[in-house]
Amino acid sequence: DIVLTQSPATLSLSPGERATLSCRASQSVGSHLAWYQQKPGQAPRLLIYDASDRATGIPARFSGSGSGTDFTLTISSLEPEDFALYFCQQRGNGPPFTFGPGTKVDIK
Amino acid sequence: QVQLQESGPGLVKPSETLSLTCTVSGGSISTYYWSWVRQPPGKGLEWIGYIYFTGSTNYNPSLKSRVTMSVDTSKNQFSLKLSSVTAADTAVYYCARGDYGDYAYGYWGQGTLVTVSS
Repeated sequence: DIVLTQSPATLSLSPGERATLSCRASQSVGSHLAWYQQKPGQAPRLLIYDASDRATGIPARFSGSGSGTDFTLTISSLEPEDFALYFCQQRGNGPPFTFGPGTKVDIK
Repeated sequence: QVQLQESGPGLVKPSETLSLTCTVSGGSISTYYWSWVRQPPGKGLEWIGYIYFTGSTNYNPSLKSRVTMSVDTSKNQFSLKLSSVTAADTAVYYCARGDYGDYAYGYWGQGTLVTVSS
């Protein structure tokens, strides 16, 4: 199975700052990578699919980049509602679809 | 507005079978890939598998011997059965819709906590 590693585990920032989250795959997944946001007690929310395409209704401050094994989620200017847990997910060439362990973005 | 809702017992005894149903409203189940994902308390997400509306399935190899998924298009529902459960299967179980191919889930149920305990 393809293993996803996310860094850092925790990112402490202030509102208005830029957040840069990393997701690395143990082997190439092409561009088949998604990013999710999850808040306590809620289901995950899809932000980005296919590495850089924003899902419907997602604000432009969220952007994704990368291909192969290295991917980045950038939040250009943190809003108060952006402090949450972020997961990446890969589909590579097919199942199983694995998730990364997550990066927590908390308020500094 | 598409909504997904999980239903089923919140408590299952060890060695028994966990059974959950996801009811889809506001849209037809007769398109898209429909998936199950679980999350043990305080931990990360684990993909269980998906079923296409035609009934075609794909399961996580780590669970494959214990998982069965089915779809009922007449009721706009799909289901998960996980046999021979242990405490390690205690988790919040989510159903989800693959909006961009078979992954990338744009719609999720609220999740249901299933505890395995005697």
